[in-house]
Amino acid sequence: KAGVTQTPRYLIKTRGQQVTLSCSPISGHRSVSWYQQTPGQGLQFLFEYFSETQRNKGNFPGRFSGRQFSNSRSEMNVSTLELGDSALYLCASSPPGQGTKGNEQFFGPGTRLTVL
Amino acid sequence: SQQGEEDPQALSIQEGENATMNCSYKTSINNLQWYRQNSGRGLVHLILIRSNEREKHSGRLRVTLDTSKKSSSLLITASRAADTASYFCATETQGGSEKLVFGKGTKLTVNP
Repeated sequence: KAGVTQTPRYLIKTRGQQVTLSCSPISGHRSVSWYQQTPGQGLQFLFEYFSETQRNKGNFPGRFSGRQFSNSRSEMNVSTLELGDSALYLCASSPPGQGTKGNEQFFGPGTRLTVL
Repeated sequence: SQQGEEDPQALSIQEGENATMNCSYKTSINNLQWYRQNSGRGLVHLILIRSNEREKHSGRLRVTLDTSKKSSSLLITASRAADTASYFCATETQGGSEKLVFGKGTKLTVNP
């Protein structure tokens, strides 16, 4: 099976712009989570989608939003970019009902966003 | 907010030595997972230990969990240069969902 893919891999934007990142989960996986990773704050949970519905949301301002499509692909959007939004954005998918494996998550390679 | 706190923040050892990393957390959990991240890349799942388990092995990895102390340790035996990476513990809290709360990680360097 192909792994989790994220596009684009690298992105440079300027303050005030908006950006959309895309994530394609592993085939059959219906849950997609997004994380922001920065040197200062580490890995922080943004939100989680399951069957096109947002199930959980982290502590991020409303500038951060996401959605999930019927094929489980997900996008996240950041509007009015700030310098502090520079980070590695990671997407992870997991299948429902993993049995003994619990909620192991499979991560994509990430999108490196630089805000100038 | 961080749930897990790894200790030490950085660890440097020689190839062949064992590496031990610790993780402490704050709230009751369903399970605790360890992930590895090679420089600036995605995370790779290593091992999951449930709250009712005390020890688990996978190849050269050994994970222990002490729920009374709210702590876990990851032991990598006979380390290799390829083990050089950052290691994160992540907890799934009780009553939670498919959301993991990560610690800040331990940066392991294995010198050849």
